[in-house]
Formats: sequence, C-alpha cells, structure tokens
Amino acid sequence: QQKVQQSPESLIVPEGGMASLNCTSSDRNVDYFWWYRQHSGKSPKMLMSIFSNGEKEEGRFTVHLNKASLHTSLHIRDSQPSDSALYLCAASTAGSFNKLTFGAGTRLAVCP
Amino acid sequence: EAGVTQSPRYAVLQEGQAVSFWCDPISGHDTLYWYQQPRDQGPQLLVYFRDEAVIDNSQLPSDRFSAVRPKGTNSTLKIQSAKQGDTATYLCASRYRPSGNTLYFGEGSRLIVV
Repeated sequence: QQKVQQSPESLIVPEGGMASLNCTSSDRNVDYFWWYRQHSGKSPKMLMSIFSNGEKEEGRFTVHLNKASLHTSLHIRDSQPSDSALYLCAASTAGSFNKLTFGAGTRLAVCP
Repeated sequence: EAGVTQSPRYAVLQEGQAVSFWCDPISGHDTLYWYQQPRDQGPQLLVYFRDEAVIDNSQLPSDRFSAVRPKGTNSTLKIQSAKQGDTATYLCASRYRPSGNTLYFGEGSRLIVV
C-alpha cells in the first residue's frame, strides 16, 4: 500500500523565518501531490497542488516537485504566527483523485 | 457559499455504544468522502460516494462501521459497538468532479471512546 512520509514531524521557526517541509511517496505510480493546512480543531484546507516537475509559487508559499524521486517540498517564507498548523501532504495516482493518501503531517510552530 | 457541515462536533462513548455522524456537503458536490484521523496522524479514507452510490468502502471496518448517502446529498456514518481504537476525528469531505480535484473538508466529529 502506498505510503506518504513527511519530515520533520515538528518544526519551530521564528517569525519572519523560512519553514521547509518535506514529503516523499513510496508508490512509483504517484503523479499528483497536494499540500493541506490544518489549524488546530479546524478542517484541512488545500494550500497548493503540484503535478509537474519543477516549482510553483503562490505568495509566500513555494512548492517543489521531483517526480523521479517522488519528493515534494513546501517552503514558507516570512513565516507568520498564523502559519502555525499541521501541514499534510497527500498523493494520488493519475485518474485516482478519489483515493488520496495522506502523510502524518508536519506540525509547524512559528514563534513571535 | 456554505462549507461542509458536520455534526455532532464531539461525542464521548463507553465501549460497546453506538454513534452516528452526519455530514452535509457543499451544495452540488457529487462526491462525498469519509476519513478517519487518529490523533497526530493524517486522514485515512474510509469510504466515498458518487451521488448515492458507494464507490469504494474497502477501508471501512464493515462489521461495525456503515455509511449511507441515500439521496446523493447528506450522508451518515454509523459506528456500532464502538471500541477504544475508534477514538479519532471523523472528517467528511466533498468534491465537485467537473471543476477540479480539491477536496473541501468539514471541521470533523471528534470521537472519544472510553
């Protein structure tokens, strides 16, 4: 069964700093990755998705994907206390968007 | 636009009791999912529907868990004879297939079984 591994488990960064989160799939058939953010007690909300090799930037958030190594990373620059949350990586194979496999998440704390 | 609504938000049960969780997806969303999220873990898919049809329930512990979506709108997830290992947050999500692949989650129903 496909597994999605995220690292680190937890991360503390100072306000204004850069947070870097990693995610790797063990399934060679995976084509699509999503990053969701879940504030404590709230629902996961999709941050960004990436399907092609390379980089995608939206505001302070940048996602990288290396399909050969099935590795994606999320980088948050100028981190804010409101970015403190659980970040979940999810992956699926082509044509199987209904069966997202989530990692256990990285818990980010941004300290003022 | 209203989001995905779930109730109850919290439930505390003794082992052996039953509970039902209700989900109202975003209006017009044809696909509905139930996920189980144990504490400090990622969500794990239990079952999903397209309209009123169950498409995949292979991860649903069928002897005690059941899910229905009779009119293709709201859905109910029922746990009979709950066990301590069922302690988790149960998340409902919905998606409108023609417009993309983003899942929209509700805030979840937190279950504690003692």
